[in-house]
Amino acid sequence: QQQVKQSPQSLIVQKGGISIINCAYENTAFDYFPWYQQFPGKGPALLIAIRPDVSEKKEGRFTISFNKSAKQFSLHIMDSQPGDSATYFCAASIGTSGSRLTFGEGTQLTVNP
Amino acid sequence: DAGVIQSPRHEVTEMGQEVTLRCKPISGHDYLFWYRQTMMRGLELLIYFNNNVPIDDSGMPEDRFSAKMPNASFSTLKIQPSEPRDSAVYFCASSLNRGPYEQYFGPGTRLTVT
Repeated sequence: QQQVKQSPQSLIVQKGGISIINCAYENTAFDYFPWYQQFPGKGPALLIAIRPDVSEKKEGRFTISFNKSAKQFSLHIMDSQPGDSATYFCAASIGTSGSRLTFGEGTQLTVNP
Repeated sequence: DAGVIQSPRHEVTEMGQEVTLRCKPISGHDYLFWYRQTMMRGLELLIYFNNNVPIDDSGMPEDRFSAKMPNASFSTLKIQPSEPRDSAVYFCASSLNRGPYEQYFGPGTRLTVT
């Protein structure tokens, strides 16, 4: 019940295209859903996060869409750029940052020039 | 701010040896997390601390692994004895006990056990 399922495992997109990564969860107690971005040789870094009281959050080219009834959330990267090539992890937790983050399996995104 | 600091960045050791990984969290952060990342299992939470006290160590794979946080600015993750299957990248992360609820990750320690 603590799992977060992420898809696809890998994604190749042309420059300027839209990248979409999906996650699904089971535990309805989750109330914080961040996305982390990880470049090779680096630790993950928070990209954008959402709470279930809103259905969408946008920051620049990055948008989280959240569907509470379906227990799904997704990351959309508009106008994808080669510099966006990285591994993306969705995650979920209950409560504050003091709660453990349960991570998805990760999606390796490649944006071709 | 220097961010989360981990040492060493790379460690190569032989099976059976003791390995100690070190972490200095961001000053003022209340929580410290240890993660392990492998291709097979992804990012796994091993243990986390709140105000230097271990809260949840259910992710620690076995008794060969131990973690301590003797003070607010230092934590260690020890593996004794090490095994080849322990080869992974180990991350330390820290966070505040209030918004914006972000965990800040260190650069990781790449451990190779031969």
